[in-house]
Amino acid sequence: GAVVSQHPSWVICKSGTSVKIECRSLDFQATTMFWYRQFPKQSLMLMATSNEGSKATYEQGVEKDKFLINHASLTLSTLTVTSAHPEDSSFYICSARETGAQETQYFGPGTRLLVL
Amino acid sequence: DAKTTQPPSMDCAEGRAANLPCNHSTISGNEYVYWYRQIHSQGPQYIIHGLKNNETNEMASLIITEDRKSSTLILPHATLRDTAVYYCIVRVEGGRRALTFGSGTRLQVQP
Repeated sequence: GAVVSQHPSWVICKSGTSVKIECRSLDFQATTMFWYRQFPKQSLMLMATSNEGSKATYEQGVEKDKFLINHASLTLSTLTVTSAHPEDSSFYICSARETGAQETQYFGPGTRLLVL
Repeated sequence: DAKTTQPPSMDCAEGRAANLPCNHSTISGNEYVYWYRQIHSQGPQYIIHGLKNNETNEMASLIITEDRKSSTLILPHATLRDTAVYYCIVRVEGGRRALTFGSGTRLQVQP
């Protein structure tokens, strides 16, 4: 089946620094990738939709200048958390939609971010 | 996308069948029922999806009622590794929007 990877799997950073998370579709091309955030004991919340070669679309309440998304190729999307603060600590999950007949959405393993 | 309702939690004995219900009474004719699960600290995993006929794959079976207002995901022989949160999602196949996750059902498989 289709595989989506994320790097890093976990990261600890100091408050005020920026963190970049990569999302790759390993064996398929993904015109569209999605970024989710999940706080403890809560469900996944969509942050933004990343489209290859164009600007990302952000959900209401998600600051586009804080969460920078770049989708430079059909297999890579990056999420940069700028000037991270402790409240940004969360589990960040990306997914990619395989273009084709069924267009099932496949998810990466997630990146756990802890901001001190 | 149609709203779904799932019980917050269920227990199942190891080796027994786990039957996870989902209500989707407002489902439209062109909407599919998708099931994903999320094992602790991992990304969601696709399980199965269907429109109106029952579906089976190597992971599970999906039983959809004739009126399509509810469905049941069946794990025929649950193992401890099946402990996870199971999400029932209704949406149009091939839809361009992202999947929307509700609260899901937390399945605990007991030894």
